[in-house]
Order: sequence, then C-alpha cells, then structure tokens
Amino acid sequence: GAGVSQSPSNKVTEKGKDVELRCDPISGHTALYWYRQSLGQGLEFLIYFQGNSAPDKSGLPSDRFSAERTGGSVSTLTIQRTQQEDSAVYLCASSFNGVEPQHFGDGTRLSIL
Amino acid sequence: SQQGEEDPQALSIQEGENATMNCSYKTSINNLQWYRQNSGRGLVHLILIRSNEREKHSGRLRVTLDTSKKSSSLLITASRAADTASYFCATASGGGADGLTFGKGTHLIIQP
Repeated sequence: GAGVSQSPSNKVTEKGKDVELRCDPISGHTALYWYRQSLGQGLEFLIYFQGNSAPDKSGLPSDRFSAERTGGSVSTLTIQRTQQEDSAVYLCASSFNGVEPQHFGDGTRLSIL
Repeated sequence: SQQGEEDPQALSIQEGENATMNCSYKTSINNLQWYRQNSGRGLVHLILIRSNEREKHSGRLRVTLDTSKKSSSLLITASRAADTASYFCATASGGGADGLTFGKGTHLIIQP
C-alpha cells in the first residue's frame, strides 16, 4: 500500500494474555519505529530498526516487550503477560534510510481488561 | 521521556482566524518537526525545520525556530474547520536510533 499499515486496528484482551501487533512499513523505507501513546505519558519512543541491524532495546518499557523485524520489512511488537498499564495506542512509523520525516500508521488501540 | 512542551494545551478560535502554537524543548537538536493528529488516526507530518534555519513556510503554515531559547512556534493562517486536530512538536537530537521526542500537544478547535 501507499502508507504504513498496522494491524489490528483495535485489540481488547484480558490481563495476562500475550498480544502481537504488526506493522507493514512503506515500501522501500529501511527505517522503522515503534511509539506508544497514552493519556498519562503522551508519545513515547520504544524502538527503532534500520534495515536488518539489531535494534537498541533500551527504550522498551519492560522485558515483557519485544520486537522483531523480519527480512527488513514487516515488524511485530509483542507484549507478554499484558498488564492494564499496557493499554495505549501503539504507533508505527517508517522513513527512508532513517532520514526524516517519519510516516505514521493509524496505530493499534490496545485495551487490557 | 517528554522533551517538548507545547502551549497552549488547548486553543479554540473562529474559522478564518490565525492560530499560533508554541513549543519548548530541553536539549540540543538536529531538527524540529510539527505533526498533526486527527482523532483516532496516526500522525501526519506537516513541516520540518533544521537547527540552522530560523523560519520556514509551507502553504498556510509558518514555523519559526529559536535555538537560543530552545523554542519553536507554528502559525496556521486563515484557519479552516478541517484544521481541528491535535498538533505536536517533535525533536530529533541524533541519528534515528533515538527516535523522535514529542511534546504533549496542543488541541486546536476551529469553530465554524
């Protein structure tokens, strides 16, 4: 597609379950970013992928969060043993070779019951 | 962590008026960007200004940057109802590995 695609658009799950969020960047964009947007914390940067390089995971909120990017394209963000504080909108963005601007998807709205 | 602080937090004006939003940040930057977010949607990039630039225009948008004061402003002229949205400033300090650092945003309402 023409833009960054994220799925699912909405996810409701019970506390303690694992969830997997998917991001399909713009074709040809080598850089991919994950952000979290919540009422209390605003927009937070989580992790960045450049091509197939190993990412810096220090921005992830806890060790329950992990992310991978297969073949330098699609990325998944996985949250294990979800907690209520994980409820937020998870946004993905991509850019050409890490050069601004970043192009954002519409996000996945995650609700933990 | 939040770097930018926008003010005002909320702004309501009449259609046709100009809207000005301000952003302050804390650390040195490579560039500063403004994004718009409509309810339930992702962020749309509006304009980027580099640290060695002082002013930039794009259509009805005008952005200024004062690196000595670590502040920026976004001016939307001749506002339209469709401009109703939240506006965020975001700073880039290094390479892509740091991501963007966003402010808390200004919610702009244009009254028809």
